[in-house]
Amino acid sequence: AQTVTQSQPEMSVQEAETVTLSCTYDTSESDYYLFWYKQPPSRQMILVIRQEAYKQQNATENRFSVNFQKAAKSFSLKISDSQLGDAAMYFCAYRALQGGSEKLVFGKGTKLTVNP
Amino acid sequence: DAGVIQSPRHEVTEMGQEVTLRCKPISGHDYLFWYRQTMMRGLELLIYFNNNVPIDDSGMPEDRFSAKMPNASFSTLKIQPSEPRDSAVYFCASSLWTGGAYEQYFGPGTRLTVT
Repeated sequence: AQTVTQSQPEMSVQEAETVTLSCTYDTSESDYYLFWYKQPPSRQMILVIRQEAYKQQNATENRFSVNFQKAAKSFSLKISDSQLGDAAMYFCAYRALQGGSEKLVFGKGTKLTVNP
Repeated sequence: DAGVIQSPRHEVTEMGQEVTLRCKPISGHDYLFWYRQTMMRGLELLIYFNNNVPIDDSGMPEDRFSAKMPNASFSTLKIQPSEPRDSAVYFCASSLWTGGAYEQYFGPGTRLTVT
Protein backbone atom coordinates (compact mmCIF):
# COMPACT_ATOMS: atom_id res chain seq x y z
CA ALA A 1 0.00 0.00 0.00
CA GLN A 2 1.12 3.50 -0.74
CA THR A 3 2.19 5.67 2.18
CA VAL A 4 2.95 9.36 2.47
CA THR A 5 5.26 10.71 5.16
CA GLN A 6 5.64 14.28 6.30
CA SER A 7 8.51 14.31 8.77
CA GLN A 8 8.01 17.86 10.03
CA PRO A 9 4.99 18.15 12.32
CA GLU A 10 5.58 21.88 12.68
CA MET A 11 7.53 24.56 10.87
CA SER A 12 7.81 28.31 11.26
CA VAL A 13 8.96 31.06 8.94
CA GLN A 14 9.35 34.81 9.08
CA GLU A 15 7.09 36.84 6.88
CA ALA A 16 8.65 37.45 3.44
CA GLU A 17 11.09 34.58 3.91
CA THR A 18 11.15 31.20 2.15
CA VAL A 19 10.25 27.87 3.71
CA THR A 20 10.35 24.30 2.42
CA LEU A 21 8.03 21.54 3.61
CA SER A 22 9.13 17.95 3.13
CA CYS A 23 7.19 14.97 1.86
CA THR A 24 8.27 11.47 0.95
CA TYR A 25 6.12 8.65 -0.33
CA ASP A 26 6.37 4.97 -0.93
CA THR A 27 5.01 3.35 -4.07
CA SER A 28 5.94 0.65 -6.53
CA GLU A 29 4.15 2.36 -9.38
CA SER A 30 5.82 4.45 -12.04
CA ASP A 31 2.95 6.76 -12.84
CA TYR A 32 0.98 8.68 -10.24
CA TYR A 33 0.00 12.14 -9.12
CA LEU A 34 1.10 14.21 -6.16
CA PHE A 35 -0.64 17.11 -4.51
CA TRP A 36 -0.18 19.67 -1.77
CA TYR A 37 -3.33 20.77 0.04
CA LYS A 38 -3.59 23.65 2.51
CA GLN A 39 -5.95 23.62 5.48
CA PRO A 40 -6.25 27.00 7.21
CA PRO A 41 -7.98 27.37 10.59
CA SER A 42 -11.28 27.60 8.75
CA ARG A 43 -10.82 23.86 8.10
CA GLN A 44 -11.38 24.20 4.36
CA MET A 45 -9.06 21.99 2.29
CA ILE A 46 -7.60 23.95 -0.62
CA LEU A 47 -5.45 22.58 -3.42
CA VAL A 48 -2.15 24.43 -3.60
CA ILE A 49 -0.27 22.63 -6.34
CA ARG A 50 -0.20 19.34 -8.26
CA GLN A 51 2.41 17.30 -10.08
CA GLU A 52 2.20 14.46 -12.60
CA ALA A 53 4.96 11.94 -12.01
CA TYR A 54 5.68 11.57 -15.72
CA LYS A 55 6.52 15.27 -15.99
CA GLN A 56 10.12 16.07 -15.24
CA GLN A 57 9.46 19.76 -14.88
CA ASN A 58 8.62 20.88 -11.37
CA ALA A 59 5.20 22.48 -10.96
CA THR A 60 4.94 26.14 -10.00
CA GLU A 61 1.96 28.22 -8.90
CA ASN A 62 2.90 31.82 -8.16
CA ARG A 63 4.83 31.76 -4.85
CA PHE A 64 4.47 28.00 -4.51
CA SER A 65 6.77 25.52 -6.21
CA VAL A 66 7.73 21.91 -5.75
CA ASN A 67 10.96 19.97 -5.88
CA PHE A 68 9.96 16.59 -7.29
CA GLN A 69 12.67 13.95 -7.03
CA LYS A 70 11.12 10.79 -8.49
CA ALA A 71 14.02 8.46 -7.81
CA ALA A 72 14.16 9.57 -4.19
CA LYS A 73 10.33 9.56 -3.94
CA SER A 74 10.46 13.06 -2.57
CA PHE A 75 8.00 15.90 -3.18
CA SER A 76 8.80 19.04 -1.20
CA LEU A 77 6.87 22.30 -1.27
CA LYS A 78 8.64 25.64 -1.33
CA ILE A 79 6.79 28.78 -0.32
CA SER A 80 8.53 31.98 -1.31
CA ASP A 81 7.86 35.44 0.13
CA SER A 82 5.77 33.91 2.92
CA GLN A 83 2.65 35.79 3.90
CA LEU A 84 0.59 35.72 7.08
CA GLY A 85 -2.21 34.09 5.12
CA ASP A 86 0.03 31.12 4.38
CA ALA A 87 -0.27 29.98 8.00
CA ALA A 88 -2.07 26.65 7.88
CA MET A 89 -1.72 22.88 7.96
CA TYR A 90 -0.19 21.57 4.75
CA PHE A 91 -0.90 18.06 3.55
CA CYS A 92 0.95 16.11 0.93
CA ALA A 93 -1.17 13.59 -0.98
CA TYR A 94 -0.65 10.79 -3.48
CA ARG A 95 -2.99 9.31 -6.06
CA ALA A 96 -2.22 6.28 -8.16
CA LEU A 97 -2.69 6.29 -11.92
CA GLN A 98 -3.04 2.58 -12.52
CA GLY A 99 -5.65 0.33 -11.02
CA GLY A 100 -8.57 2.64 -11.55
CA SER A 101 -8.51 3.92 -7.98
CA GLU A 102 -9.26 7.57 -7.41
CA LYS A 103 -8.20 7.35 -3.79
CA LEU A 104 -6.07 10.13 -2.30
CA VAL A 105 -3.58 9.04 0.37
CA PHE A 106 -2.59 11.87 2.69
CA GLY A 107 0.38 12.49 4.93
CA LYS A 108 -0.18 13.52 8.54
CA GLY A 109 0.44 17.17 7.76
CA THR A 110 2.83 19.99 8.69
CA LYS A 111 1.63 22.96 10.67
CA LEU A 112 3.16 26.15 9.27
CA THR A 113 3.37 29.27 11.40
CA VAL A 114 4.23 32.59 9.79
CA ASN A 115 5.76 35.14 12.14
CA PRO A 116 5.31 38.85 11.42
CA ASP B 1 -20.96 27.54 -7.96
CA ALA B 2 -21.54 27.18 -4.23
CA GLY B 3 -18.94 24.47 -3.87
CA VAL B 4 -19.44 21.27 -1.90
CA ILE B 5 -22.07 21.75 0.76
CA GLN B 6 -22.10 19.78 3.99
CA SER B 7 -24.56 19.77 6.82
CA PRO B 8 -24.58 20.11 9.70
CA ARG B 9 -21.32 21.98 10.32
CA HIS B 10 -21.28 20.80 13.91
CA GLU B 11 -22.98 17.87 15.53
CA VAL B 12 -22.94 16.89 19.18
CA THR B 13 -24.64 13.67 20.14
CA GLU B 14 -24.67 11.09 22.87
CA MET B 15 -23.19 7.66 22.56
CA GLY B 16 -25.61 5.23 21.03
CA GLN B 17 -27.50 7.77 18.97
CA GLU B 18 -27.78 7.67 15.21
CA VAL B 19 -25.93 10.39 13.31
CA THR B 20 -26.50 11.36 9.70
CA LEU B 21 -24.11 13.62 7.82
CA ARG B 22 -25.15 15.14 4.52
CA CYS B 23 -23.31 16.25 1.42
CA LYS B 24 -24.25 18.01 -1.78
CA PRO B 25 -21.46 17.74 -4.38
CA ILE B 26 -20.65 20.30 -7.01
CA SER B 27 -23.12 20.04 -9.87
CA GLY B 28 -21.79 17.93 -12.72
CA HIS B 29 -19.14 16.13 -10.71
CA ASP B 30 -19.10 12.36 -11.10
CA TYR B 31 -17.05 11.35 -8.07
CA LEU B 32 -17.91 11.80 -4.42
CA PHE B 33 -15.62 11.01 -1.50
CA TRP B 34 -16.09 10.80 2.27
CA TYR B 35 -13.03 11.40 4.46
CA ARG B 36 -12.51 11.39 8.21
CA GLN B 37 -9.90 13.54 9.94
CA THR B 38 -8.58 12.85 13.44
CA MET B 39 -5.42 13.86 15.23
CA MET B 40 -4.31 10.28 15.59
CA ARG B 41 -5.02 8.96 12.10
CA GLY B 42 -4.96 12.12 10.00
CA LEU B 43 -7.11 12.26 6.87
CA GLU B 44 -8.38 8.90 5.74
CA LEU B 45 -10.72 7.94 2.95
CA LEU B 46 -13.84 6.13 4.10
CA ILE B 47 -15.66 5.49 0.83
CA TYR B 48 -16.05 6.92 -2.62
CA PHE B 49 -18.72 6.82 -5.32
CA ASN B 50 -18.60 7.11 -9.08
CA ASN B 51 -21.84 8.06 -10.79
CA ASN B 52 -23.70 7.30 -7.55
CA VAL B 53 -22.25 3.78 -7.28
CA PRO B 54 -19.98 2.88 -4.35
CA ILE B 55 -16.58 1.92 -5.72
CA ASP B 56 -14.32 1.48 -2.72
CA ASP B 57 -15.62 1.20 0.84
CA SER B 58 -12.54 -0.45 2.29
CA GLY B 59 -11.96 2.51 4.57
CA MET B 60 -15.31 2.24 6.32
CA PRO B 61 -14.32 1.33 9.87
CA GLU B 62 -17.10 -1.11 10.70
CA ASP B 63 -20.70 -2.02 10.14
CA ARG B 64 -21.88 0.91 12.21
CA PHE B 65 -20.94 3.15 9.27
CA SER B 66 -22.96 3.27 6.07
CA ALA B 67 -23.03 5.64 3.13
CA LYS B 68 -25.52 6.18 0.35
CA MET B 69 -25.78 8.28 -2.76
CA PRO B 70 -29.39 8.08 -3.99
CA ASN B 71 -28.78 10.63 -6.75
CA ALA B 72 -26.06 12.77 -8.28
CA SER B 73 -26.71 15.70 -5.97
CA PHE B 74 -26.91 14.11 -2.54
CA SER B 75 -25.04 11.71 -0.30
CA THR B 76 -25.31 10.68 3.34
CA LEU B 77 -22.93 9.10 5.82
CA LYS B 78 -24.69 7.43 8.70
CA ILE B 79 -23.26 6.17 11.97
CA GLN B 80 -25.49 3.91 14.03
CA PRO B 81 -24.94 3.56 16.91
CA SER B 82 -22.38 6.30 17.46
CA GLU B 83 -19.45 5.91 19.84
CA PRO B 84 -17.06 8.47 21.39
CA ARG B 85 -14.22 7.22 19.16
CA ASP B 86 -16.22 8.38 16.13
CA SER B 87 -15.57 11.98 17.16
CA ALA B 88 -13.78 13.59 14.22
CA VAL B 89 -14.18 16.00 11.34
CA TYR B 90 -15.89 14.37 8.37
CA PHE B 91 -15.23 15.81 4.95
CA CYS B 92 -17.08 15.28 1.74
CA ALA B 93 -15.27 15.98 -1.52
CA SER B 94 -16.31 15.82 -5.15
CA SER B 95 -14.49 15.80 -8.45
CA LEU B 96 -15.00 15.57 -12.17
CA TRP B 97 -12.87 12.97 -13.86
CA THR B 98 -10.88 14.66 -16.60
CA GLY B 99 -7.88 12.38 -16.62
CA GLY B 100 -4.60 13.60 -15.24
CA ALA B 101 -4.14 15.27 -11.88
CA TYR B 102 -7.69 16.56 -11.54
CA GLU B 103 -8.65 18.24 -8.28
CA GLN B 104 -10.87 16.97 -5.51
CA TYR B 105 -12.95 19.82 -4.10
CA PHE B 106 -13.61 19.58 -0.38
CA GLY B 107 -16.57 20.75 1.62
CA PRO B 108 -16.15 22.65 4.89
CA GLY B 109 -16.47 19.49 6.96
CA THR B 110 -18.75 18.40 9.79
CA ARG B 111 -17.24 18.33 13.26
CA LEU B 112 -18.82 15.42 15.10
CA THR B 113 -18.57 15.10 18.86
CA VAL B 114 -19.94 11.97 20.51
CA THR B 115 -20.18 12.18 24.30
